[in-house]
Amino acid sequence: DAGITQSPRHKVTETGTPVTLRCHQTENHRYMYWYRQDPGHGLRLIHYSYGVKDTDKGEVSDGYSVSRSKTEDFLLTLESATSSQTSVYFCAISGTVVGADTQYFGPGTRLTVL
Amino acid sequence: TQLLEQSPQFLSIQEGENLTVYCNSSSVFSSLQWYRQEPGEGPVLLVTVVTGGEVKKLKRLTFQFGDARKDSSLHITAAQPGDTGLYLCAGVRGSYIPTFGRGTSLIVHP
Repeated sequence: DAGITQSPRHKVTETGTPVTLRCHQTENHRYMYWYRQDPGHGLRLIHYSYGVKDTDKGEVSDGYSVSRSKTEDFLLTLESATSSQTSVYFCAISGTVVGADTQYFGPGTRLTVL
Repeated sequence: TQLLEQSPQFLSIQEGENLTVYCNSSSVFSSLQWYRQEPGEGPVLLVTVVTGGEVKKLKRLTFQFGDARKDSSLHITAAQPGDTGLYLCAGVRGSYIPTFGRGTSLIVHP
């Protein structure tokens, strides 16, 4: 299994509070991604990174920010959590562009915003 | 509008039956991937198809990429309870960022 961990695995928070989710990899892969998964919507890309300090927006980036100061860590921040951000969040990594390489997913973080 | 439409959304069958899951789009993809996800875990890549008309087999699973590279199918022969899970297709275009379908939830009863 690819070395990807996510923390925390579960979190319950209140509306308006900031939340940071962490993705850590030990594979030295260049690309890292944050997705959210909701019933009826499948996986939707929030943000991705193609290198240290190089990030870009995905399909559903509003209300989220990311940072990547080291190859191994990719942080997802909800500046002011809302109930609509209740979801399961997955981090993924790939060594090269996705079409040519496997994308490995972490175990997920279940976030509940009350 | 969903770029990739998967059907059926849900499938409940008995062990030993055959099934096919479809992934359709009006867009052309450079490659298409199929993932399987078990409850409480992240998706795991099963296969990547890159050539129009390509057929790949993985034991009892057969994957096909349409000639026009707009659609794909996953066929499972003699399904087993261990095949239970969420099957996701993902299309990759020029940006190399995959777009996922909504998934097909499969339950195989013993």
